[in-house]
This record gives sequence, C-alpha cells and structure tokens, in this order.
Amino acid sequence: GAGVSQTPSNKVTEKGKYVELRCDPISGHTALYWYRQSLGQGPEFLIYFQGTGAADDSGLPNDRFFAVRPEGSVSTLKIQRTERGDSAVYLCASSFSGERGFSYNEQFFGPGTRLTVL
Amino acid sequence: SQQGEEDPQALSIQEGENATMNCSYKTSINNLQWYRQNSGRGLVHLILIRSNEREKHSGRLRVTLDTSKKSSSLLITASRAADTASYFCATDETGANSKLTFGKGITLSVRP
Repeated sequence: GAGVSQTPSNKVTEKGKYVELRCDPISGHTALYWYRQSLGQGPEFLIYFQGTGAADDSGLPNDRFFAVRPEGSVSTLKIQRTERGDSAVYLCASSFSGERGFSYNEQFFGPGTRLTVL
Repeated sequence: SQQGEEDPQALSIQEGENATMNCSYKTSINNLQWYRQNSGRGLVHLILIRSNEREKHSGRLRVTLDTSKKSSSLLITASRAADTASYFCATDETGANSKLTFGKGITLSVRP
C-alpha cells in the first residue's frame, strides 16, 4: 500500500511568513509523529498524535509551532512568523500503535518537507 | 536532545567488505531501531530489536543489543555500493510515549 506522503516537498518562504506542512500517514495507523532534522543532525522529535489528540507536544520549540490532526488521519504542522532558524527538513512518521509499552513501534517515515526561510 | 551516539561518525569501505556501526544510548528503552537515509531525505526503517532481544537478523543485516552496556551494533555483510547512505540508531525510551530519540548518524561510503 501507499507509504507516508508529505506535501510540499520543498517550501521556500520569507522571514515572518506563515507556513503549513501536510502529512498523510499510512492508512490505519493511529500514531503520527513530527520530527525536524537540521543539516548534519539526526531527526529531533516535535509532537506525537494518538488518534486526534496530541499525546506529547514536548518537542515543539516554542508557541510559533502548532500541529493538528482533526480527523485522526491527515496532520498539518503550522509555523507562524517563521525565522531563519526554522529552516530544516520536517519529517512525518506513522505507526500502527504508539501506546506506551507497546514494543512493536516501527515508525514509517515520509520523504520530508525541506523548509527554507530566507 | 539526542540520546544515541553512533560510532564511527564516518566509515569508508570497499564493496564486498563488512561494515560495523555502533550506537550507545543513556536511558532504559523499549526497543532500538536502525534507519537508513539517502541524500538527507526520507528515512527507511531497517530493523527493530526489542529490549529483551540480544540479536536479530534481516537479510545482510545483523543487529545486536546489550542493554547492560546500553549499546547496539549494526553489521552489514558483503556491502554494496548501494549501501552508501547515512545510518541512524533511534531509541524508544521507556515511558516516553513511543517517540524516537535519534543519534547524529554515521555516514557510510562503499567504494565500488
């Protein structure tokens, strides 16, 4: 079946603008994760959804970042008043279950959105 | 913050040789996963090893886990030029809501 998809693949914006990044998880996956990867680094966790609710948003760097998943499938990561430091690849992943203690937490990643803030 | 530390940071080998990459971590975990990434884009899941497992195989991949030393190794046997990529270990920490914590990655170059 189809994997995780993300749109757009590339986004160039100007400092101070608002952007939305979209993630379509694998059908049937209840858990959805957003990560951010800077050049030369590993991905860093931003937020995790179990169904429609944000179960853990401890990785969001500040209140300019917000994410929603209103119907428990597609998720949108929203960044307000973008800054040059927000430039990175934003990765989305989904898994069948992210419940605490469930050890088969294979996460399947999308191709990412490369965000460049000028 | 990043928990895993991979070693070495970069590895260059000849096609046909074996590649061994190591990962150390700091906290207790539910499982540890290895991913491959080409050209800084999507991550491909390679293998997951649970905290109560010590060794796992998948094709040319062999993963070991030593929870007493908080370390894991990934062995790729009979490497191919197509194995050239960045490799990351990621830990699913106990009580951490299943989010993954990644290391900085290892750059593997396989010379044809």
